[in-house]
Formats: sequence, C-alpha cells, structure tokens
Amino acid sequence: DIQLTQSPSFLSASVRDRVTITCRASQGISIYVAWYQQKPGKAPKLLISAASNLHSGVPSRFSGSGSGTQFTLTITSLQPEDFATYYCQQLNSYPYTFGQGTKLDIK
Amino acid sequence: EVQLVESGGGLVQPWGSLRLSCEASGFSLTTYSMNWVRQAPGKGLEWLSYISSTGSTIYYADSVKGRFTISRDVAKNSLYLQMSSLRAEDTAVYYCARDRTDYAEYYFDVWGQGALVTVSS
Repeated sequence: DIQLTQSPSFLSASVRDRVTITCRASQGISIYVAWYQQKPGKAPKLLISAASNLHSGVPSRFSGSGSGTQFTLTITSLQPEDFATYYCQQLNSYPYTFGQGTKLDIK
Repeated sequence: EVQLVESGGGLVQPWGSLRLSCEASGFSLTTYSMNWVRQAPGKGLEWLSYISSTGSTIYYADSVKGRFTISRDVAKNSLYLQMSSLRAEDTAVYYCARDRTDYAEYYFDVWGQGALVTVSS
C-alpha cells in the first residue's frame, strides 16, 4: 500500500499569512493527488485535483504543486474560514490512502 | 442538485451487524463509481471500499475485507455497506463519496453528510 505522510501535523498561523503543507508518498504516484479541506462535523471538501488543478469554486489563494513523491498545498493570505484540517489523498492505486491530516489553527 | 444522503447509522453491539445506505440524487450510480470512507472520532480519513460504475469491480481495505460488503441497487439509485462482525475500532462516521475516475479525473467530488456508527456494549 502507498503511504502518505503530511507535514506538519499541526500548524498555527495568522490571518493573511502564507502557509504550505507537504505530502510525501512512499512511492511515485505521478500527479494522482487530491487535497481536501474538512471542518468539524462536516464532510471533506475537494480543493485540488491532479496535484495542481483548482476545483471549481475554490478561491485562487489555494494552489497545489508537485509530482512523483512530493506534493504541496499552499494557501496565500489566509482567511478566517481557512482554519480547518487538510488531507491529501493518492488515487494512483487502491487502496486510495489519505495522509494523516494537517490541522491549521489560528495563532 | 447532485447529492448523497446516508442513513442507517446507530449503536450496535460488538460482533453485531449493520447496513448503511447512501441514496444518490442528481446523477446515476451506473455512470459513476462510488466509495465508502470512514473517520474514527478525532482521527483522519480511511478509505474502505470501492464499486465501479458497472458494478463489476469491487475493492476493500484490508481492515474490513471479509467483514464488510459493498453493493448497490440501481433501481433505487442507492449504495450500501453491509457491516458484520463489528468491533469497537469500527466506531466512526461513515461517508459515501462519488468517484470521478471513470472520467479520467482522479478525485472524490461529492460526499454524503456522514452516518455515525457506534460499536459498544
């Protein structure tokens, strides 16, 4: 199975900060990575697909990059509604594993 | 409106069984593959099972293989997860999620609201 390791697991930041979350795969997965945002009590919401494609309706302050084994999610100019938990997911092969999550909270 | 609505969650005793349902609206299960994903309290997301749009291909995570069964009823446009031999560690919110891989797009774009399953005596 492909393992995904996110770093950091916890991140404190302020409104208008720029933050980057990294997702490292245990083997090469091309660009088959998606990023999701989850708020407490809610289902995950798709942000990014194919490593860097911004999903419809997602603000442009979110961006993704990477290929192979290392991927990043960047949020520029954090807004209050961005404080949530973020997950990467690999869709290269089953089982479609998720990273352990990165909780982003307000400093 | 494209939507997934889960039902069937609840409290079940260890070694018991439960069936979750996920009713799809706004699209047909015959044109999209579907998945079940769960999230234990305070934990991350765990992919559990997949069924293709044709119903002919099914996958399971090792953690549920042999205990859980994914199925669907195309007439009711509903997805199911039959869970048996339940353990305390199966306590979680269970989500159904639509898969875009039939369209060469690799992500889950529609999720249900989640159904809480609690395994406890």
